[in-house]
Amino acid sequence: AQSVTQPDIHITVSEGASLELRCNYSYGATPYLFWYVQSPGQGLQLLLKYFSGDTLVQGIKGFEAEFKRSQSSFNLRKPSVHWSDAAEYFCAVGANSGNTPLVFGKGTRLSVIA
Amino acid sequence: GAVVSQHPSWVICKSGTSVKIECRSLDFQATTMFWYRQFPKQSLMLMATSNEGSKATYEQGVEKDKFLINHASLTLSTLTVTSAHPEDSSFYICSARDYRGFLYNEQFFGPGTRLTVL
Repeated sequence: AQSVTQPDIHITVSEGASLELRCNYSYGATPYLFWYVQSPGQGLQLLLKYFSGDTLVQGIKGFEAEFKRSQSSFNLRKPSVHWSDAAEYFCAVGANSGNTPLVFGKGTRLSVIA
Repeated sequence: GAVVSQHPSWVICKSGTSVKIECRSLDFQATTMFWYRQFPKQSLMLMATSNEGSKATYEQGVEKDKFLINHASLTLSTLTVTSAHPEDSSFYICSARDYRGFLYNEQFFGPGTRLTVL
């Protein structure tokens, strides 16, 4: 069965500092990988996705993620964090199958301090 | 494109009443819809998967008779919480997928519905 592990429950970074959120997955075939962001009381917003091809994926809001098959990882990065990036971040894994839903990690809460 | 709406965005009801939540795909045909539940400060937990015209498949531990799901058309799925109780208070999120077209490898999420049962 597929699963997603986000090892960090809560991360605090200073505004302007770089950020890396970790995501490890378990999946039997080539996974489809996603990162979502959720602000309090809001729905999910897709940051970026990986289906195939270039393993470094660019997303919105200056985020990028790198798919490393050998490490079963899909870590999210941003070179310079803004205070508005404070939110909950979810990594998810899916399959190319109509009935297979996305499986989410438990999320990482990002706090940004001045 | 690929927009999913939910209605209502929030609802407050009395214990024992039933509440219906609608999920619509606005610009594509959703052959499959998924319903998730999210408790405060927790991740999304899949409740059920529904295919248009078929009965929903529920995850283990989800009561079929309490959470009625109807996917009657390719653009609409409904979740009815029957005889709601305070422990049913949660954030409910639907997502939709069209596995036949060029959107086949993505799920698109609605904005969520906040249910509070008094």
